[in-house]
Amino acid sequence: GIQVEQSPPDLILQEGANSTLRCNFSDSVNNLQWFHQNPWGQLINLFYIPSGTKQNGRLSATTVATERYSLLYISSSQTTDSGVYFCAVESFGNEKLTFGTGTRLTIIP
Amino acid sequence: EAGVAQSPRYKIIEKRQSVAFWCNPISGHATLYWYQQILGQGPKLLIQFQNNGVVDDSQLPKDRFSAERLKGVDSTLKIQPAKLEDSAVYLCASSPMGETQYFGPGTRLLVL
Repeated sequence: GIQVEQSPPDLILQEGANSTLRCNFSDSVNNLQWFHQNPWGQLINLFYIPSGTKQNGRLSATTVATERYSLLYISSSQTTDSGVYFCAVESFGNEKLTFGTGTRLTIIP
Repeated sequence: EAGVAQSPRYKIIEKRQSVAFWCNPISGHATLYWYQQILGQGPKLLIQFQNNGVVDDSQLPKDRFSAERLKGVDSTLKIQPAKLEDSAVYLCASSPMGETQYFGPGTRLLVL
């Protein structure tokens, strides 16, 4: 099956800093989503981005499908950004989201 | 718009007991998913429904897990009998015809 790798596994930043999270995948995809899992366990959908670039406030994401990676940018980090960020992909012909192992982000006040 | 609802939020049982989880998806969403998330890992799909039919249950341990989605709306996931390794968060998600998935708050299961 498709492999999804996320880096870095852990990231600790001061409030106000910027960060870039990376997701590499091993095969062509027709669906890629970024999620934020908050400290209470709720998975929140951030972006549906199988290709191209999208922005939502302080967050933006870029997927380069031909090179099989996606990046999530967080600018001016806030403590509420803390949690685990997951990338999940769905390959062609397989309607199943495969999740990466996540990046745990901790924002220090 | 109401989100995906799940109950109970927490459950503690002893091994070999039975447990059931309930999920009510977002209104109008045809596709419903059950995931298992073990501590420190990403969610793993257990079963996917399209309306009231099963699309994928290849990772569902069918000797102890069962799920149904009667009438194509809400769904139940059952474990019988539970094992220690079933301790996890069980997440329900829904989507409109295979697009963006929206997740419920999850049910935290602890098997002692």
